[in-house]
Amino acid sequence: AQTVTQSQPEMSVQEAETVTLSCTYDTSESDYYLFWYKQPPSRQMILVIRQEAYKQQNATENRFSVNFQKAAKSFSLKISDSQLGDAAMYFCAYRSASRGSNYKLTFGKGTLLTVNP
Amino acid sequence: DAGVIQSPRHEVTEMGQEVTLRCKPISGHNSLFWYRQTMMRGLELLIYFNNNVPIDDSGMPEDRFSAKMPNASFSTLKIQPSEPRDSAVYFCASSLAEGPTNEKLFFGSGTQLSVL
Repeated sequence: AQTVTQSQPEMSVQEAETVTLSCTYDTSESDYYLFWYKQPPSRQMILVIRQEAYKQQNATENRFSVNFQKAAKSFSLKISDSQLGDAAMYFCAYRSASRGSNYKLTFGKGTLLTVNP
Repeated sequence: DAGVIQSPRHEVTEMGQEVTLRCKPISGHNSLFWYRQTMMRGLELLIYFNNNVPIDDSGMPEDRFSAKMPNASFSTLKIQPSEPRDSAVYFCASSLAEGPTNEKLFFGSGTQLSVL
């Protein structure tokens, strides 16, 4: 079974600075998808960014980018120019690309990000 | 579109009572998921429907839990009888599974369940 590990329960960053959240995963599959979700205090789970394992290029979405290291099974999220609205719980998630996977997402335990003004 | 709509937002009940959580997926989506979030276990998939049919219910903790999807626009998750250890946030999510590369999961705001 796949597992997702987020080793940083909490992180903090100064407004306008850059922060990197770590995520590692364990899988025997070669094709899969990785995601970062944001959960603000409103509880809404919001997709931040997604990466397909067969793509070598790291995904970017405005101030959010990932460092995908397939051999190391690492998928970190970098937030540049941090804003107060970025404060939230961030979850890393894995999904198999296998058609038998039923699109099940496996989540890490999350990292609570605090942004200091 | 209003997104995935869950009700109620909060539910407080006593042990032994029946609890029903409701979900309206995004119109046109053909896949629906129920997740449970707790501090100890994080986010866990309980059950997954595709085209209103339950495909994977291996995450349903025990027989006290049941889920239905009578039509494409409505699903329920029922706990009977409820127990204090069922206290958690329950999320519903939907997606349009045109294929693995096109799926994007949309979550509702969750139901905070407290069983006393």
